[in-house]
Amino acid sequence: EAGVAQSPRYKIIEKRQSVAFWCNPISGHATLYWYQQILGQGPKLLIQFQNNGVVDDSQLPKDRFSAERLKGVDSTLKIQPAKLEDSAVYLCASSASGERYFGPGTRLTVT
Amino acid sequence: SQQGEEDPQALSIQEGENATMNCSYKTSINNLQWYRQNSGRGLVHLILIRSNEREKHSGRLRVTLDTSKKSSSLLITASRAADTASYFCATAFSGNTPLVFGKGTRLSVIA
Repeated sequence: EAGVAQSPRYKIIEKRQSVAFWCNPISGHATLYWYQQILGQGPKLLIQFQNNGVVDDSQLPKDRFSAERLKGVDSTLKIQPAKLEDSAVYLCASSASGERYFGPGTRLTVT
Repeated sequence: SQQGEEDPQALSIQEGENATMNCSYKTSINNLQWYRQNSGRGLVHLILIRSNEREKHSGRLRVTLDTSKKSSSLLITASRAADTASYFCATAFSGNTPLVFGKGTRLSVIA
């Protein structure tokens, strides 16, 4: 089966600019997650969707981050405006039960 | 906050040796999962062990769980250079609640 797809793989922007990431989960997976992984640390959950509804966004910096999953399939994560500390790898994952399947991630560099 | 804490932070061994990584956590869990992350790549699920299980095997991997001590260990037997990666434990309070990742153990297997 096809895995979780993410794009772009790399993005370099200047601070205060905007950026968007896209994720297409594994077909049939109802749950989709966005994680932020800063260099040298483990992934931190930003938001969890169940179909097109938000289950947990308690760690999403809502003043600058937004995410949507309008049709319950693919999802976009946006940062506006970006800060230097947003430099990280943004991982998308999906699941049907306990095991998460991760995409390759988008490496964001904010200069 | 990150619940799981892996130990050691870094481990270097010779090919053919066994590698043991430990994970401690703070609160009661439903399941604990181990993931591997190769440099520049996404996370790959290795094993899920539920709170009512004590040990699980998958190929050269053996995971134990001691809920009384709130700890888990991952043993990789007969290590290979290809096992070089970061290994993360992640805990879940229930079947589909957000995984909380530790900071990981960086394993280097020297050929």
